Amino acid sequence: AQTVTQSQPEMSVQEAETVTLSCTYDTSENNYYLFWYKQPPSRQMILVIRQEAYKQQNATENRFSVNFQKAAKSFSLKISDSQLGDTAMYFCAFTYGGSQGNLIFGKGTKLSVKP
Amino acid sequence: GAVVSQHPSWVICKSGTSVKIECRSLDFQATTMFWYRQFPKQSLMLMATSNEGSKATYEQGVEKDKFLINHASLTLSTLTVTSAHPEDSSFYICRVGQGALISTDTQYFGPGTRLTVL
Repeated sequence: AQTVTQSQPEMSVQEAETVTLSCTYDTSENNYYLFWYKQPPSRQMILVIRQEAYKQQNATENRFSVNFQKAAKSFSLKISDSQLGDTAMYFCAFTYGGSQGNLIFGKGTKLSVKP
Repeated sequence: GAVVSQHPSWVICKSGTSVKIECRSLDFQATTMFWYRQFPKQSLMLMATSNEGSKATYEQGVEKDKFLINHASLTLSTLTVTSAHPEDSSFYICRVGQGALISTDTQYFGPGTRLTVL
């Protein structure tokens, strides 16, 4: 069975600083996809970044980047130049494709950006 | 603008009553929609897959007779919580994929519905 683990229930960072959120996963699949979703206080889930397992290059989206370590099954999210609007719950998610329902979430990390 | 809408955004009901939650895909047709449940400070747990024109598929442990799903059209799925009890109080979120491939097609989430059962 696939599992996604986020070991940091809560984190905080000062505005303009950099923070890294951790995520590990377990799967026997070789080809899969990983995501980071943001859920702000409005509760609307927003895709932050995605990574295909077959790509060695780490994905980046503006201030957001990932450190994908396939052998270690690790997928951390780095937020640079943190902004107050980054305050949210962040969920790591995994899918190996197949059934559309197959999108497994971690328990989330609550990130607070302090002014 | 919003791609997926949910109605209502917040509902309070008495124990024993039924509550209907709607999920609408505003920008594209969707033969499949997904319903999640999120308890406070917890992750999203998939409850069921709503299939247009056929029966919903429920995840293990989810009571199909309690959580009725109807996918009446290609843009609307409804989740009815029947005989609601306080333990059903939760945040319910729907997800819609723009295509058939979860791996590559963009997934859109509704804004969620907060259900409080007194």
